[in-house]
Amino acid sequence: GAVVSQHPSWVICKSGTSVKIECRSLDFQATTMFWYRQFPKQSLMLMATSNEGSKATYEQGVEKDKFLINHASLTLSTLTVTSAHPEDSSFYICSARDPTSLSSYNSPLHFGNGTRLTVT
Amino acid sequence: QKEVEQNSGPLSVPEGAIASLNCTYSDRGSQSFFWYRQYSGKSPELIMSIYSNGDKEDGRFTAQLNKASQYVSLLIRDSQPSDSATYLCAVMSGGFKTIFGAGTRLFVKA
Repeated sequence: GAVVSQHPSWVICKSGTSVKIECRSLDFQATTMFWYRQFPKQSLMLMATSNEGSKATYEQGVEKDKFLINHASLTLSTLTVTSAHPEDSSFYICSARDPTSLSSYNSPLHFGNGTRLTVT
Repeated sequence: QKEVEQNSGPLSVPEGAIASLNCTYSDRGSQSFFWYRQYSGKSPELIMSIYSNGDKEDGRFTAQLNKASQYVSLLIRDSQPSDSATYLCAVMSGGFKTIFGAGTRLFVKA
């Protein structure tokens, strides 16, 4: 259980274009999903919390107009990197909590396989 | 002060030895603690969760938590070359957020 699927696994795009990354919960419903970003040899940094049916909550320093998050259903959240630039090249990973845990509010995150974005 | 601190390593141990990984956190109110393993180029995978003071064992892995000292550790017994990876300590603070340490790189030499 608690399988999170992310697509695409890698993408190369030109500077100035937009890229959409999809995150799906395959065998459970996720009212909340979390988007992380990881630069080489650095840790995961939380970008935003995606909430089904409402606006995402962005972490300090993350531009909400640049990183558009849509959580239109209980199984799908999308992250769109708009007007991408080379400094946006990174590993983007979505995650959701294990819904089978007795106490889901503090249960561990399960991650998608990540999307490696390269902006040329 | 970083919220979750780990020694970046690398930590090198011979095959069959015990690997000891440590983590400290700053939010005294944290209640949930996790260890993840991340292979190069891959996303993190959960190894263990721990919520109460003391030890929790799962196979070759033992997590230890000391909330008074704000300290979490992970012991890997009978280390194998396949255990070579980066180990991430994660702490859930207030507001549902899970904060990750920078990770400790572990090398298990055959």
